[in-house]
Amino acid sequence: AQTVTQSQPEMSVQEAETVTLSCTYDTSESNYYLFWYKQPPSRQMILVIRQEAYKQQNATENRFSVNFQKAAKSFSLKISDSQLGDTAMYFCAFMKPYGQNFVFGPGTRLSVLP
Amino acid sequence: DAGITQSPRYKITETGRQVTLMCHQTWSHSYMFWYRQDLGHGLRLIYYSAAADITDKGEVPDGYVVSRSKTENFPLTLESATRSQTSVYFCASSEPGANQPQHFGDGTRLSIL
Repeated sequence: AQTVTQSQPEMSVQEAETVTLSCTYDTSESNYYLFWYKQPPSRQMILVIRQEAYKQQNATENRFSVNFQKAAKSFSLKISDSQLGDTAMYFCAFMKPYGQNFVFGPGTRLSVLP
Repeated sequence: DAGITQSPRYKITETGRQVTLMCHQTWSHSYMFWYRQDLGHGLRLIYYSAAADITDKGEVPDGYVVSRSKTENFPLTLESATRSQTSVYFCASSEPGANQPQHFGDGTRLSIL
């Protein structure tokens, strides 16, 4: 079974600075998909970014980018120019190629400080 | 507006009672999911459904029942609620196929006294 680990329960960053959230996973699959979701205090789950394991190029979405290290089974999220609205819980999620089910990590609570 | 709607947003009930959480989506997504969110565990899958009349267990199905008679609805029932089922429950839906993200409702906070 796949497992997803987020080793940083809580983090903080100053506004306009850069922060990196870590995620590691365990799988025997060679192809799979990885996602980062953001959950602000409103409780919504918002897709931030996704990565396909067979693509070597790291995904980027505006201020959000990932560092995908397939051999190390690592999928970190970098947030550049942090904004107060980035304050949220961030969840890393793994999806197998032939199933729709996600396995989520326990989450990292990020606080952006003014 | 298109989307996924959960009701109620908050619910308080007592142990032993039956409670049903509702989920409705307007995208006609074939897949639907129920998760529970607990501190330190992230989101854990309770049940999922690939299509109407097709459901399957997830990681933590005990004490829960689901049905899916129509594509757009996926209710979750706690037949005899226990305090350990106090949690925030999320419904999600997705299209079939690789790399399809899941779209989430706003969650139901359920407290069992």
